[in-house]
Amino acid sequence: GENVEQHPSTLSVQEGDSAVIKCTYSDSASNYFPWYKQELGKRPQLIIDIRSNVGEKKDQRIAVTLNKTAKHFSLHITETQPEDSAVYFCAASTGGYQKVTFGTGTKLQVIP
Amino acid sequence: GAVVSQHPSRVICKSGTSVKIECRSLDFQATTMFWYRQFPKQSLMLMATSNEGSKATYEQGVEKDKFLINHASLTLSTLTVTSAHPEDSSFYICSARGRGGEGTDTQYFGPGTRLTVL
Repeated sequence: GENVEQHPSTLSVQEGDSAVIKCTYSDSASNYFPWYKQELGKRPQLIIDIRSNVGEKKDQRIAVTLNKTAKHFSLHITETQPEDSAVYFCAASTGGYQKVTFGTGTKLQVIP
Repeated sequence: GAVVSQHPSRVICKSGTSVKIECRSLDFQATTMFWYRQFPKQSLMLMATSNEGSKATYEQGVEKDKFLINHASLTLSTLTVTSAHPEDSSFYICSARGRGGEGTDTQYFGPGTRLTVL
């Protein structure tokens, strides 16, 4: 089955700096890669996703890149703000009605 | 975006009792629902995949007789933790996936249920 690894497990940045979270996956058939943000005690919220037919996608301060050859994808947050502090999960799926496999999570702390 | 509700949000029960958790998709038809368990500071662990009108598919290591899943309609799936024990205490989260179109791949999560077994 699919295995998703995520690094780092914790990340502290100064407000205004950029944050990068990296993930690798094992199943070459995976073609859908969502990223979720989870605040303490709350549900995961989809913040951005990318499909295998594109290499990069951007939404305001958030961007995701995908390298299918190397089987890794990354989340980039620019101009970080304290409200960006949360746990971020990457995930991979073969799409359609298949299950999504989550990474282990990255706790991001943005220091004011 | 699509809305998924979950009830109850929090439950405390005695060891040996059964607890039912409901997951509803409020504004879309969910052909597939997923049930996850999340321990403190850990990732979401998939327990089972529930398809409307058919038996749930359980992940390896998850006891199907202990975690009963029923997906009776396109908007409702239930998870029953039977004969709960303290080690079952966890945060249980459901997610739902719609049918067709761009949103097929996207999972929308419920708010979760905090189960505490005394």
